[in-house]
Amino acid sequence: GESVGLHLPTLSVQEGDNSIINCAYSNSASDYFIWYKQESGKGPQFIIDIRSNMDKRQGQRVTVLLNKTVKHLSLQIAATQPGDSAVYFCAVMNSGYSTLTFGKGTMLLVSP
Amino acid sequence: DVKVTQSSRYLVKRTGEKVFLECVQDMDHENMFWYRQDPGLGLRLIYFSYDVKMKEKGDIPEGYSVSREKKERFSLILESASTNQTSMYLCASSSPGTSTHEQYFGPGTRLTVT
Repeated sequence: GESVGLHLPTLSVQEGDNSIINCAYSNSASDYFIWYKQESGKGPQFIIDIRSNMDKRQGQRVTVLLNKTVKHLSLQIAATQPGDSAVYFCAVMNSGYSTLTFGKGTMLLVSP
Repeated sequence: DVKVTQSSRYLVKRTGEKVFLECVQDMDHENMFWYRQDPGLGLRLIYFSYDVKMKEKGDIPEGYSVSREKKERFSLILESASTNQTSMYLCASSSPGTSTHEQYFGPGTRLTVT
């Protein structure tokens, strides 16, 4: 089955810096990817998604990059704020029943 | 506003007890999911359901069962709780008819088995 790897369990940045969180996946046939944000005491919340026919997608202060050649996904957060402190998960959709395989998560710590 | 609710935020049970975790969604979603979340392991899928009375095993179904008698409600059952089932349990729902496959999550139930 699909496996989704974690590159870094914790990332510490200064307020105002740009943050980059990375993710790797195993199945070259995967065609849909999602990033979730989980704040302390809450369930994960959708941030942004991307399909395999794209290599970049932008949202508000966030950009997701997809490199299918090396099966790598990244989430970029511009001008990181203290409110961005959370655990970020990438997820890859599995074929069939629309289930997702999640990575182990990266905790983003933003200091003022 | 979309909502997934879980019956308890915190639960403490004894080894061997039967435990019911309830999840309700108000979005008329067909798909519902149960995950457990453990430090360093991320979210792991226990069971999911794509329709009323239908269920499918996820990656770690052992020691769990589920029930979906109504579209909006998905229950996770621990037949005989064990200490290794101490974890955060997250319920989610999604609709296969939308352009995204976004899953909406509840706030989680932190279960401690002593």
